[in-house]
Amino acid sequence: GDSVTQTEGLVTLTEGLPVMLNCTYQSTYSPFLFWYVQHLNEAPKLLLKSFTDNKRPEHQGFHATLHKSSSSFHLQKSSAQLSDSALYYCAWNSNNRIFFGDGTQLVVKP
Amino acid sequence: GPKVLQIPSHQIIDMGQMVTLNCDPVSNHLYFYWYKQILGQQMEFLVNFYNGKVMEKSKLFKDQFSVERPDGSYFTLKIQPTALEDSAVYFCASSHPGAGNTLYFGEGSRLIVV
Repeated sequence: GDSVTQTEGLVTLTEGLPVMLNCTYQSTYSPFLFWYVQHLNEAPKLLLKSFTDNKRPEHQGFHATLHKSSSSFHLQKSSAQLSDSALYYCAWNSNNRIFFGDGTQLVVKP
Repeated sequence: GPKVLQIPSHQIIDMGQMVTLNCDPVSNHLYFYWYKQILGQQMEFLVNFYNGKVMEKSKLFKDQFSVERPDGSYFTLKIQPTALEDSAVYFCASSHPGAGNTLYFGEGSRLIVV
């Protein structure tokens, strides 16, 4: 069935370095994909969502591009900040349900 | 931005008792959801609800679970009876219909069953 895969459970990097969190999807059609961010003891919040017209969504310095050829929607940022430390979920929409991947914990160190 | 409110934020109950978790969704949203998150684990879909009916539920949505939204008031998740494995944070969410719809989440209700 349809699914998203986040291969990294934990990503640790130093402040100022670039971030890339992987997300690949398996679907019989082109789904709507999302990135949600969940800070400790908070609710998940929408970070980005894919567009159907190949626009690249950007928010808070993060961006992601839907690549149909590789079935990917990787999350990227050019320079990590300490405040980016959080749990990041790739998610997809199917029949008005949002399903979350396993999540990637991003830890940014000074 | 749009706010989803959840009451209570925390509850501790004895195994076997009933609990009702309340959600006040965004006022013009039509789809409502419950997700379960066990500490340190991923968000897992439980159920979605539209036009007064359950649209879809996952295998985690046990027979002891029920949802309703009587007369446009709170969207509720009731667990009766509770079990130890029901201990988790339960997140309510709401959205407009549509393939690109965005879910807005409440802050969660932390349930501890002892």
